Amino acid sequence: AQSVTQPDIHITVSEGASLELRCNYSYGATPYLFWYVQSPGQGLQLLLKYFSGDTLVQGIKGFEAEFKRSQSSFNLRKPSVHWSDAAEYFCAVGARLTGGGNKLTFGTGTQLKVEL
Amino acid sequence: KAGVTQTPRYLIKTRGQQVTLSCSPISGHRSVSWYQQTPGQGLQFLFEYFSETQRNKGNFPGRFSGRQFSNSRSEMNVSTLELGDSALYLCASSLIGTGTYNEQFFGPGTRLTVL
Repeated sequence: AQSVTQPDIHITVSEGASLELRCNYSYGATPYLFWYVQSPGQGLQLLLKYFSGDTLVQGIKGFEAEFKRSQSSFNLRKPSVHWSDAAEYFCAVGARLTGGGNKLTFGTGTQLKVEL
Repeated sequence: KAGVTQTPRYLIKTRGQQVTLSCSPISGHRSVSWYQQTPGQGLQFLFEYFSETQRNKGNFPGRFSGRQFSNSRSEMNVSTLELGDSALYLCASSLIGTGTYNEQFFGPGTRLTVL
């Protein structure tokens, strides 16, 4: 069964500083990997995804992530954080199910606080 | 194009009652999935529907059920509510139900509080 680990529950960075959120996954096949962001009281917004190909993927809002198969990691990065980036970030692995359809398995999330 | 909509956004119930939540997928999306989000258990897959059929189900008791209509709208029902059912229930839709992996688009969720 697939699993996702986000080792950092909380991270605080200063506005303008760089950011890296860690994600490790466990999945037997080629993974479909995602990063979602959730603002308080809101649903999940997709930041970026990796299916195949170039291991460095670009997303919305200036975010990028790098897939490293040897490390089973898919870390999210942003060169300069803005105050509006404060939110909870979820890494997820997608699996195609035998009955058809897909299922996402999420990490426990990383709460990002941005200091002005 | 309108996104995934969920109604109601907030709901308060008491233990033992039942509740029905509704989800309207993005136009043209035929697969609808439901997830439960709680502080203790995080985000967990409930079930997925395609063409009015439940194709996959997560590890939840039978009190949790759902259905999908011919227009792809979906409802989920929780019977005999327990305090632990308090959660944010998220619905997600995707374009194609079979074949390659298709990303899921999430609605804003329904916040259920059980007293």
